[in-house]
Parts: sequence; C-alpha cells; structure tokens
Amino acid sequence: GNSVTQMEGPVTLSEEAFLTINCTYTATGYPSLFWYVQYPGEGLQLLLKATKADDKGSNKGFEATYRKETTSFHLEKGSVQVSDSAVYFCALSLADRGSTLGRLYFGRGTQLTVWP
Amino acid sequence: ETGVTQSPTHLIKTRGQQVTLRCSSQSGHNTVSWYQQALGQGPQFIFQYYREEENGRGNFPPRFSGLQFPNYSSELNVNALELDDSALYLCASSPSGANVLTFGAGSRLTVL
Repeated sequence: GNSVTQMEGPVTLSEEAFLTINCTYTATGYPSLFWYVQYPGEGLQLLLKATKADDKGSNKGFEATYRKETTSFHLEKGSVQVSDSAVYFCALSLADRGSTLGRLYFGRGTQLTVWP
Repeated sequence: ETGVTQSPTHLIKTRGQQVTLRCSSQSGHNTVSWYQQALGQGPQFIFQYYREEENGRGNFPPRFSGLQFPNYSSELNVNALELDDSALYLCASSPSGANVLTFGAGSRLTVL
C-alpha cells in the first residue's frame, strides 16, 4: 500500500539550531513528495515538493531531497526561528493510472517548537 | 484571489445526528477534496469531487457523502454521527490535473 512514516515528535529546538525531520515512504507507483506545514488554527500550507528522484524542493530556508534509493524525503533547515513553530506533515501523491490525482497520503505530523 | 473557505468553523453534535459542512473552493479550482484529521493524526482522504461527481474515495463508510455544485463549491454530509467522527474536517481545492492542493482552515466537529 501507500504510506508515509514520520519521526515522532514533539521536537523542541532553540532558535538558530539545525532541524531535521525524517520522513520515509512506501508507494505502489512513482510518487510526488510534499511537505505541508500547519500553524495553530490554520489549514495546511504547502511548504515544498519534489516530483522525481533526486529533485530537491526548497522554500523559506527549508529543503528536502527525494531519495528513491532510501525511499526518504527528510526535511531540513539550517537555522530555525521561533516563527517556524508548527506541525509539519510529509505526504505523497500518486499520478498512476487508477490513482486519484491530488489524493494525498499523509504522515502523522511532527510538532516543532522553537524557543528564543 | 480568495482562498478556500469552510463553514462552520466549529460545531457540536450528538451521536446519531447528521451534519453538513461547506466549502468554497479557490477561484479557478474545479476539483475539491475532503480530508478528516483526527487529533494528533495526519489528514485522511475521504473523497474527491470533479465536475460534480465523486472522483475517488478513501476508506470511509457510505454515511460520508458529498456534493459538488456548478460553482465548484462542495458539501460534506455525515449521517448517523459516531463519537469517532470527532475531528477536523479539511477541504482542499485544486485545478484539474494538478496534485498541489490549497487547504481551508477546516471545520472542527465534536460529537458527544
């Protein structure tokens, strides 16, 4: 089946620390991979995406590289800020025949708290 | 451009009741998807609507049903509510053929 596994949270960091949130996936086809972020009281916002192996998605200082050999899409940021505090979701989408384009399979989410 | 708007933002129901949640898609988006996000979990796909027809469904029972209207807005209906239906219900819209979704802020349903 199709699934996403994220590292357990919560993750607590000091401002300017390095962030890694691990994400691995299982997919029946060739997925696109996403990171979404959810701030308190808000819906999910797309943070970055990658559509094929070795692609690197990046946005707002966050990066993730699509690693087909390890079926991973780990999220990284070199220096986190208090404003990065949120829940981060890794997700995949399939575009194969028989799949619903736009259907996302999400991980359970990782709560990040950054202290000043 | 307006984003995805959902209503109501919060509601409380009792077991056995029925609920209707509403969603207005982002301008130019003709595909609407609904997700259920239980507390502490990732969103789970309920179904998707395109051209007013269901276009894919997740592992949810038939008491979860939906509609899409000619203006691309959508409703999610849940009959015979159960305690486990308590969750945040997210609506997301996208242009046809796209796998990047724009999410609304959600409707939080509590079933007592």
